[in-house]
Amino acid sequence: KQEVTQIPAALSVPEGENLVLNCSFTDSAIYNLQWFRQDPGKGLTSLLLIQSSQREQTSGRLNASLDKSSGRSTLYIAASQPGDSATYLCAVRPEDSNYQLIWGAGTKLIIKP
Amino acid sequence: NAGVMQNPRHLVRRRGQEARLRCSPMKGHSHVYWYRQLPEEGLKFMVYLQKENIIDESGMPKERFSAEFPKEGPSILRIQQVVRGDSAAYFCASSSLPAEMNTEAFFGQGTRLTVV
Repeated sequence: KQEVTQIPAALSVPEGENLVLNCSFTDSAIYNLQWFRQDPGKGLTSLLLIQSSQREQTSGRLNASLDKSSGRSTLYIAASQPGDSATYLCAVRPEDSNYQLIWGAGTKLIIKP
Repeated sequence: NAGVMQNPRHLVRRRGQEARLRCSPMKGHSHVYWYRQLPEEGLKFMVYLQKENIIDESGMPKERFSAEFPKEGPSILRIQQVVRGDSAAYFCASSSLPAEMNTEAFFGQGTRLTVV
């Protein structure tokens, strides 16, 4: 059974720092992995989607990597800003149930001005 | 092209009442997915629907919960006789292609249900 874990559950850093969020999954048989952002009381914004054949994806100050064999993904945020404060969720699409996303519980990120 | 639209955004119900959550998929999308997010937890899959068909409802509680996606109109997630444990955020996603084609799904803003 696929399980997704995100550590730490919460992170607080000063503005301007580079930071890394971690996501691990127990079964490497996945189609893709996706990072989302969730603002308090609001919906989900897709940030990056990495197909299983890819190693990384970049969008602006965000870079996501995928090591499928070890069951790990990282989301790197460069030059963090207060506006980056949100909960970051990762989700995998397993090969054996390809329309279900399996989600981590998220990392709550606070960027201090 | 508006995104996935969910309404209401916030819904308060007393125990025992019915809750109806609506989801209008993106234009041209005929595949809808419902997820539930309990406080401090990740999202959990509930049901996958195509127009007029339930494809997979393996994540739906066996009682009180039902979902439909009629030929015309939005998808509806219905919860009968709500209990406090139903309080959660309910998210809807839609896609243009069948899920088995590994297409990306786009999410709505969610409906936050509070049962008092």
